[in-house]
Amino acid sequence: DAGVTQSPTHLIKTRGQQVTLRCSPKSGHDTVSWYQQALGQGPQFIFQYYEEEERQRGNFPDRFSGHQFPNYSSELNVNALLLGDSALYLCASSPEGTGGAVTEAFFGQGTRLTVV
Amino acid sequence: AQSVTQPDIHITVSEGASLELRCNYSYGATPYLFWYVQSPGQGLQLLLKYFSGDTLVQGIKGFEAEFKRSQSSFNLRKPSVHWSDAAEYFCAVAPFSGGYNKLIFGAGTRLAVHP
Repeated sequence: DAGVTQSPTHLIKTRGQQVTLRCSPKSGHDTVSWYQQALGQGPQFIFQYYEEEERQRGNFPDRFSGHQFPNYSSELNVNALLLGDSALYLCASSPEGTGGAVTEAFFGQGTRLTVV
Repeated sequence: AQSVTQPDIHITVSEGASLELRCNYSYGATPYLFWYVQSPGQGLQLLLKYFSGDTLVQGIKGFEAEFKRSQSSFNLRKPSVHWSDAAEYFCAVAPFSGGYNKLIFGAGTRLAVHP
């Protein structure tokens, strides 16, 4: 079992550009959540996807959007990048039948985004 | 507003010494409570979690945590720290609202272990 896999592991973007991050959930998991972890801070909840729809959203602007595919994998898109978007982006998946509850969530290794 | 406070930003202990990391939460009801560990450049690994029942919970790597409702605390402990325990530790809560579907994290405590 590969666990939760995220790609790429690192990337550098220029201010104003757009970026897409990818997440493949753990086998048997159908819900994907995204978190942003700025340097020196705890992760912050961005949103959660279940059945290809955004089910819950944190306090992030509309520049942050996502998508979930029929195979449960997910993408996080960030438009009009700002320097402040530099962070580690973590994906977490939850098992089928839990309704996306974090009680059994597994985290990926994250994608380190640097905006210059 | 729901929040999690980890009062200690950095803690340094000697190898073999005991450890306690503090966590306080602010929430109207008892949420689900978690401790995660993050090694440099890595994702989050779950150490333990509390939902209900016995207020002393055991986790992986020899860690335990105690839930104290009266103090809104969920402190993490380990009787004897190993050098490999050096990492950042995050306390988190999952509020009932929204079906326990998101985690609210504290700012973390960075643990250094001296040989």
